[in-house]
Amino acid sequence: QVQLVQSGAEMKKPGSSVKVSCRASGGTFSSYALTWVRQAPGQGLEWMGGIIPIFGTSNYAQKFQDRVTITTDESTSTAYMELSSLTSEDTAVYYCAGGGFWFDPWGQGTLVTVSS
Amino acid sequence: AIQLTQSPSSLSASVGDRVTITCRASQGISSALAWYQQKPGKAPKLLIYDASSLEGGVPSRFSGSGSGTDFTLTISSLQPEDFATYYCQQFSSFPQRTFGQGTKVEIK
Repeated sequence: QVQLVQSGAEMKKPGSSVKVSCRASGGTFSSYALTWVRQAPGQGLEWMGGIIPIFGTSNYAQKFQDRVTITTDESTSTAYMELSSLTSEDTAVYYCAGGGFWFDPWGQGTLVTVSS
Repeated sequence: AIQLTQSPSSLSASVGDRVTITCRASQGISSALAWYQQKPGKAPKLLIYDASSLEGGVPSRFSGSGSGTDFTLTISSLQPEDFATYYCQQFSSFPQRTFGQGTKVEIK
């Protein structure tokens, strides 16, 4: 069973970028679609985009199209989500999750706080 | 983009109650719907996929139904550990995915 472990909490300034990692273990990483979802404080879940490592193709929600980049490093079974031009509205918990249709399993989440 | 609307946004129920949550899609999505449970401070947990298929290890008191635009998550007998927020999610429109706004199930 694949397990996903994410990097630790980040504190960022407005206008900067953040890169969150998600390391997979216990499965065949390259053929496994990975998805990123975020959740602002007290709010619902928001799909950001996903990637299938074996194809190297990423897809993004229109809302984040110009600011987000999802990549993978197959040598370390790690996926990355980089979000640029951060504002306070990007303060949220960012989750990686396995799968491109429904999502399972999930990482533990990474809190990104954007504050001056 | 396909929108998902859940109702109610919140509900109060007692242990043992039958609880029903509805998810309506803005256009037909066949059976391309999943349901998740999320507890405070935790990652979501997959309950149901393909509208009615129960994920392994999920108690049988959870069930899903529906197709097209109208879907339902039912908890047949609410247990103390079921108090949480529930989300539907569509995977019909490639590559875009969307979640409903969530339904919070609270203790009456």
